[in-house]
Amino acid sequence: DTAVSQTPKYLVTQMGNDKSIKCEQNLGHDTMYWYKQDSKKFLKIMFSYNNKELIINETVPNRFSPKSPDKAHLNLHINSLELGDSAVYFCASSQDFAAETQYFGPGTRLLVL
Amino acid sequence: DQQVKQNSPSLSVQEGRISILNCDYTNSMFDYFLWYKKYPAEGPTFLISISSIKDKNEDGRFTVFLNKSAKHLSLHIVPSQPGDSAVYFCAAKESNTGKLIFGQGTTLQVKP
Repeated sequence: DTAVSQTPKYLVTQMGNDKSIKCEQNLGHDTMYWYKQDSKKFLKIMFSYNNKELIINETVPNRFSPKSPDKAHLNLHINSLELGDSAVYFCASSQDFAAETQYFGPGTRLLVL
Repeated sequence: DQQVKQNSPSLSVQEGRISILNCDYTNSMFDYFLWYKKYPAEGPTFLISISSIKDKNEDGRFTVFLNKSAKHLSLHIVPSQPGDSAVYFCAAKESNTGKLIFGQGTTLQVKP
């Protein structure tokens, strides 16, 4: 009964490839997020969607494109992968954009070679 | 420019004693503060939160204290248990955007 799930859990790929990470939540939440945890362990928000609409878009290269087919799903597409994209990517969701508590998925460990 | 800082990268305490994790922030627009706990290879899990209008919130062994004038919050765990060993992230929510800003985490080790 996973509340926020992500696939794949691990992703190893070559520079220049295009890859996608999927996220699904079964909590009935309206808002979903993508975070990046870099090598220094900082967790930083990348994007947020509320009811399939983009509401937060941090300074992220436009090679990163989120897509929300419905409010239970928020996928992350990354084009032309670079070495510096290697990180752990976490998906999260909250009741709505004003809710103080966000619930996180298990993370996707991306390694770009 | 880090708006939320956890200046201690690690903390080691003996089982049964108190663990105190600290967090400082700079932005006055934060309306909620949260602590998350993270085990290796898992996502952060919500532990406890406090509204900016309060100075203390308690939940079992966990208490969060907020000192707004000092822009400082702390998480107290008492008594500490070996299962509490994890990375603890402090986070603050921006009232106008809803964004969570995280500190860099403190690794807590509770020794049996």
